Amino acid sequence: SQQGEEDPQALSIQEGENATMNCSYKTSINNLQWYRQNSGRGLVHLILIRSNEREKHSGRLRVTLDTSKKSSSLLITASRAADTASYFCATDATAGGTSYGKLTFGQGTILTVHP
Amino acid sequence: ETGVTQTPRHLVMGMTNKKSLKCEQHLGHNAMYWYKQSAKKPLELMFVYSLEERVENNSVPSRFSPECPNSSHLFLHLHTLQPEDSALYLCASSQDGTVTDTQYFGPGTRLTVL
Repeated sequence: SQQGEEDPQALSIQEGENATMNCSYKTSINNLQWYRQNSGRGLVHLILIRSNEREKHSGRLRVTLDTSKKSSSLLITASRAADTASYFCATDATAGGTSYGKLTFGQGTILTVHP
Repeated sequence: ETGVTQTPRHLVMGMTNKKSLKCEQHLGHNAMYWYKQSAKKPLELMFVYSLEERVENNSVPSRFSPECPNSSHLFLHLHTLQPEDSALYLCASSQDGTVTDTQYFGPGTRLTVL
């Protein structure tokens, strides 16, 4: 079963507006990461939030984590056209006792920011 | 773009061909990964190498054969592929392959199987 699922699948906004993307997962996690991917390119790591953290900031990014609801959100404030990309959450499940970085990615949210 | 490079960037091959994808990381990391990204599907982990030892084979068909000769290089050897194997193949590396590592991705190889 899919571990991370993003919502919405696509989001279209104007420059200057805020963009919020959500991620839900199914099993217990050590941490949750958000990645960004420009069209047809590799992924770029944005932020990691640990299971004992509730909120984390990095520049215009704000990530929240609610382990009781098994969900996370990524907020991009004051969006820019250059923020246009796909955004993925990735989790590393603790189930099975794996110690290496086996990440499970969601299908992503396609964000379009219009100038 | 990042310290992870992949070649070639684009590859078109027939089902009877044999080709290889190459990944090189310049970050001094000890773990490397192959992912497959198909249209409308989540990114799928294929293989994980930690200190040049394969630690994960995520039920990948044998027509995909990975090789990790040292901690800086990772190959994916392809033979008798199917059209449904057409996808973006992404390589990544991380410091030690632990669950808190950040993974650094290459730009990917866009593979088309005819």
